[in-house]
Amino acid sequence: AQSVTQPDIHITVSEGASLELRCNYSYGATPYLFWYVQSPGQGLQLLLKYFSGDTLVQGIKGFEAEFKRSQSSFNLRKPSVHWSDAAEYFCAVGASDSWGKFQFGAGTQVVVTP
Amino acid sequence: DADVTQTPRNRITKTGKRIMLECSQTKGHDRMYWYRQDPGLGLQLIYYSFDVKDINKGEISDGYSVSRQAQAKFSLSLESAIPNQTALYFCATSSGANVLTFGAGSRLTVL
Repeated sequence: AQSVTQPDIHITVSEGASLELRCNYSYGATPYLFWYVQSPGQGLQLLLKYFSGDTLVQGIKGFEAEFKRSQSSFNLRKPSVHWSDAAEYFCAVGASDSWGKFQFGAGTQVVVTP
Repeated sequence: DADVTQTPRNRITKTGKRIMLECSQTKGHDRMYWYRQDPGLGLQLIYYSFDVKDINKGEISDGYSVSRQAQAKFSLSLESAIPNQTALYFCATSSGANVLTFGAGSRLTVL
């Protein structure tokens, strides 16, 4: 069965500092991996996805994530955080035949301080 | 207008009442989903539909039912609401690309 763990429930980061959000997954085959962001009062927006190929993927808003099969991880990074990055971030895992039936992590709440 | 529209955005109701949450989309996607979000639990799949004649249960379908009235419309019903169904509900759509597009959510409070 698929599962996703986001070890950090809450992260506080200063504006301009770097950010890394952790995601670990459990899945028997090559997973489809996603990061979504949820701003207050909004739905979830796709930041980036990994299906195959280059293990370093670029997304929107300056985010990137790296797929590490040996560590079963798909960590999200941003070199310099902006105040508008304050939001909740969700990692999700699926399979090629999941067709939208994904397993989501519990989320990481990011607070950005001046 | 949003690609995926959910109504109502907020609803407070009482235990035992019937509630319907509606979702409509302009994406032209065949696949539609209802997810539930609880703090600390992430999102859990309630029901999904791959076309108008195809309805499937997700992880947590007990206490819920759905109706796919048209390709663009997918409604979620709580026949007799209970307090532990208080949550944020998301409708989502997908094409064959395995990427979900979410609505803004419907916050339901059951007293």
